[in-house]
Amino acid sequence: AQSVTQPDIHITVSEGASLELRCNYSYGATPYLFWYVQSPGQGLQLLLKYFSGDTLVQGIKGFEAEFKRSQSSFNLRKPSVHWSDAAEYFCAVGPRTGGFKTIFGAGTRLFVKA
Amino acid sequence: NAGVTQTPKFQVLKTGQSMTLQCAQDMNHNSMYWYRQDPGMGLRLIYYSASEGTTDKGEVPNGYNVSRLNKREFSLRLESAAPSQTSVYFCASSESSLQRAYNEQFFGPGTRLTVL
Repeated sequence: AQSVTQPDIHITVSEGASLELRCNYSYGATPYLFWYVQSPGQGLQLLLKYFSGDTLVQGIKGFEAEFKRSQSSFNLRKPSVHWSDAAEYFCAVGPRTGGFKTIFGAGTRLFVKA
Repeated sequence: NAGVTQTPKFQVLKTGQSMTLQCAQDMNHNSMYWYRQDPGMGLRLIYYSASEGTTDKGEVPNGYNVSRLNKREFSLRLESAAPSQTSVYFCASSESSLQRAYNEQFFGPGTRLTVL
């Protein structure tokens, strides 16, 4: 079955510390991969995406993610977290051809302490 | 350029009542989607519309109907609301089509629905 797993329901990091949010997927073929961020009371906003090519992709707000095919993972990283990064983060996968159904992970809520 | 808009922002219904959630996008996107978001479950696809005039079921379609009124608008209807439909509902749109590679989705701000 197709699925996306975000093992951490919530993570707390200190401001200025590095961050890594984990994402693993189960899919028939290599999908398109996305990370979205949701601030409280808001809709989702795309942080970055992987379609092909360089497996390290850069996104907005200083985030990056690395696609590892052998591990079926697409982990999100940021070298130095800011208080404004506190939000919920969703990993998602979508089909490369002929499909429209995106599968979202359950999300990881990030808390940032001063 | 408003992106994806949803109305209403909040709604409280009694069990058995009906209502329609409205969604519109001004990005000329082909495909549109309705999701529900529940704690600990991420977003689950209710229905989607790959193009104007077509709709298809997603993961959790029971209890819902949709209408793709035109390219801009995609509405979600609850005919007889149940407490299990208490959730936050998001509409999204995308450039994706059968002819074009998959693209990211753009989300509206959501509708928070409570069914008593």
